[in-house]
Amino acid sequence: QQQVKQSPQSLIVQKGGISIINCAYENTAFDYFPWYQQFPGKGPALLIAIRPDVSEKKEGRFTISFNKSAKQFSLHIMDSQPGDSATYFCAAASGGGADGLTFGKGTHLIIQP
Amino acid sequence: EAGVAQSPRYKIIEKRQSVAFWCNPISGHATLYWYQQILGQGPKLLIQFQNNGVVDDSQLPKDRFSAERLKGVDSTLKIQPAKLEDSAVYLCASSTMVQYNEQFFGPGTRLTVL
Repeated sequence: QQQVKQSPQSLIVQKGGISIINCAYENTAFDYFPWYQQFPGKGPALLIAIRPDVSEKKEGRFTISFNKSAKQFSLHIMDSQPGDSATYFCAAASGGGADGLTFGKGTHLIIQP
Repeated sequence: EAGVAQSPRYKIIEKRQSVAFWCNPISGHATLYWYQQILGQGPKLLIQFQNNGVVDDSQLPKDRFSAERLKGVDSTLKIQPAKLEDSAVYLCASSTMVQYNEQFFGPGTRLTVL
């Protein structure tokens, strides 16, 4: 079964700190790895995504690190802010990202002021 | 640019009743997805359409769930009869056929089965 395993389930970080969420996958056919942010009552929204031909991608305060050999990828949120408090999902897809996404179970992130 | 529209936003039904959800994707998006998100879990793909054809419905419980996308634009997802375990948020997403392009999600329909 295709799976994406995400940890931790919940995370509390002080304002200004670094939030780190990790994911591992099994299916080597996956070639697209997005992270989604979801607020209560809203649909998931794309935060940042990476392809397996690069090891790191940075957009503002958000960075994805990707380790193809270990089949792991992680999200780093630098200078975490209270507005970052949300649920974060890693996901993976094959077919150049055109296939349906396989999601992790999510991380509930709380940034304390 | 208008986002993915879904209706209704909330629905409460008794078990064994039927229910239908509607999705209107972003204009020009050929690919449409339906996901089921059970409370506390990540979304799970139910079905994927490309234009009006089904690409993947391997995780759709076909004994009770059905979906269609007539004319390759909007789509409906139906559950008949509903079970208690169908209580979830049903999310619709759409994307273009360009590789590595974003899937845009709608706000979802929250279904409660009593």
